[in-house]
Amino acid sequence: GNSVTQMEGPVTLSEEAFLTINCTYTATGYPSLFWYVQYPGEGLQLLLKATKADDKGSNKGFEATYRKETTSFHLEKGSVQVSDSAVYFCALSDGNYGQNFVFGPGTRLSVLP
Amino acid sequence: DTAVSQTPKYLVTQMGNDKSIKCEQNLGHDTMYWYKQDSKKFLKIMFSYNNKELIINETVPNRFSPKSPDKAHLNLHINSLELGDSAVYFCASSQDLRGTLNTEAFFGQGTRLTVV
Repeated sequence: GNSVTQMEGPVTLSEEAFLTINCTYTATGYPSLFWYVQYPGEGLQLLLKATKADDKGSNKGFEATYRKETTSFHLEKGSVQVSDSAVYFCALSDGNYGQNFVFGPGTRLSVLP
Repeated sequence: DTAVSQTPKYLVTQMGNDKSIKCEQNLGHDTMYWYKQDSKKFLKIMFSYNNKELIINETVPNRFSPKSPDKAHLNLHINSLELGDSAVYFCASSQDLRGTLNTEAFFGQGTRLTVV
């Protein structure tokens, strides 16, 4: 079945540091890939997405590129802020009937001032 | 206007009770889901419905029963609550666009269930 693996953290960085959160997936066919963010006490919000190989999703300074050859979708940001502290989830959707979104275990990011 | 709303936000109840969590989406989506998030933040699909039809029914105790009166609502009823049911439950929805992958899931704010 489909699955998503990501570094579980926690990840602690100083403000303005570079962020990478690794994500790899296993899926049949050509899934869509997503990064969701969950701030404390809130639901999940879509951060960015990519629907085909070599697509780059970007939002709020975050980027991730759909790499089919390495089945990866690593999240990066050049300069993190304290407000980026949250839990980040990598996810895929196979787009089939009643599509199922499969999530990674989440990575907790803490950014210190 | 809240896209996916679920109520209540917090639910504290005693073991053995029966409770329901309601979910409504105003996005016109065809597919709705229930996810369970445990204390380590791990998200696990429980059910998904497409146009009121049950599509995914993962291995959850049959004490959990989803009900979809129409495609905008997917409620979760839980019988005989147990301590291990304590978790945050998220409702979500997405548009079923078979033939295109350009769709994402929209989540509610979650219901924190505490069984004492």
